[in-house]
Amino acid sequence: EDQVTQSPEALRLQEGESSSLNCSYTVSGLRGLFWYRQDPGKGPEFLFTLYSAGEEKEKERLKATLTKKESFLHITAPKPEDSATYLCAVQARGQNFVFGPGTRLSVLP
Amino acid sequence: NAGVTQTPKFRVLKTGQSMTLLCAQDMNHEYMYWYRQDPGMGLRLIHYSVGEGTTAKGEVPDGYNVSRLKKQNFLLGLESAAPSQTSVYFCASGESAIQPQHFGDGTRLSIL
Repeated sequence: EDQVTQSPEALRLQEGESSSLNCSYTVSGLRGLFWYRQDPGKGPEFLFTLYSAGEEKEKERLKATLTKKESFLHITAPKPEDSATYLCAVQARGQNFVFGPGTRLSVLP
Repeated sequence: NAGVTQTPKFRVLKTGQSMTLLCAQDMNHEYMYWYRQDPGMGLRLIHYSVGEGTTAKGEVPDGYNVSRLKKQNFLLGLESAAPSQTSVYFCASGESAIQPQHFGDGTRLSIL
């Protein structure tokens, strides 16, 4: 059965304190891994797609990387406005998206 | 840009009542999805559609029905609401199965 787990469940950082979020997956035939940001009371907002191991994508303070078993979302020098829940999802051959439970990130000023 | 629009945003129902949640997208996407999001469980797929006139079951379809009569609209129905259906419901759309899904802002539904 396809599974997606995320760690930690919650993370509290001081402004400027860099860290990484983890998304681990067990699927056969990965076709894409997706990162989303979700603010309270809002729908998930698409951030990145990664299609193959070794691929990296960057956007402002965020950088996503992919290996054959996991993906990392690196947050460099975060600001309070980066506070949100970050979701990852995988899409495998013949399957729909499977979402992880998310990591709640709080960045304190 | 409207993107994906869901109505209503909030609703309270009594057990046994019925209702329809509406989803509209203006991106000409073929694929549309209905999810529910519950604390600690992540997003779970209820039903989806790969094009106008098509529907298919997802992970948690029981108690729900859907219709996609027009490409831009995807309706989710609850025929006889139960307290276990209290949740936040999200609609999403995408160009294809492997393209990113774009989400609406959800419908918060409480069943008393």
